[in-house]
Amino acid sequence: DSGVTQTPKHLITATGQRVTLRCSPRSGDLSVYWYQQSLDQGLQFLIQYYNGEERAKGNILERFSAQQFPDLHSELNLSSLELGDSALYFCASSVVPASYGYTFGSGTRLTVV
Amino acid sequence: TQLLEQSPQFLSIQEGENLTVYCNSSSVFSSLQWYRQEPGEGPVLLVTVVTGGEVKKLKRLTFQFGDARKDSSLHITAAQTGDTGLYLCAGDSNYQLIWGAGTKLIIKP
Repeated sequence: DSGVTQTPKHLITATGQRVTLRCSPRSGDLSVYWYQQSLDQGLQFLIQYYNGEERAKGNILERFSAQQFPDLHSELNLSSLELGDSALYFCASSVVPASYGYTFGSGTRLTVV
Repeated sequence: TQLLEQSPQFLSIQEGENLTVYCNSSSVFSSLQWYRQEPGEGPVLLVTVVTGGEVKKLKRLTFQFGDARKDSSLHITAAQTGDTGLYLCAGDSNYQLIWGAGTKLIIKP
């Protein structure tokens, strides 16, 4: 157990639908990052939050949004889902941005059918 | 745009052999991290190197940070089947991590 909790582990949904992925960071970590990983691909950075505020954006689609709440947990909202959104979505956390490494959750596998 | 190029992209070798994975960039990083990822799981941090020329050892794994802090290598001695996985390097640039595309390593028994 890495200390970063992601729910749900698996999600199957239809095209056009909306889903919410949840992440609880490791205790004490203020930064949360979301990544997308398609089959046999590297990690694509989506968005970063630090202590409730958005810090950096990567290749995040307009159909996707995220937020970090006062208790530091974060949610990633994916809407108008397309087949190509099927992927593993990882959340990671760190004490300070980048610094000495991220702790990743075990991911949410999203399948859009 | 900052890039981290990893090579090789794919490597399949026999158990007991040695191998080296490279991570190269034209940019300078304040630190460089190596992660290993197993199928369906999140990446796990192996090591962080911070000082140019730094060498760190983790059992049979040796990590080196280039003198100019632009490149790094991961050397595995006497590879074992348990070393199989996706190896990712990531460089810290202005508090953002720049990720390599990964090296998929398969160790055959």
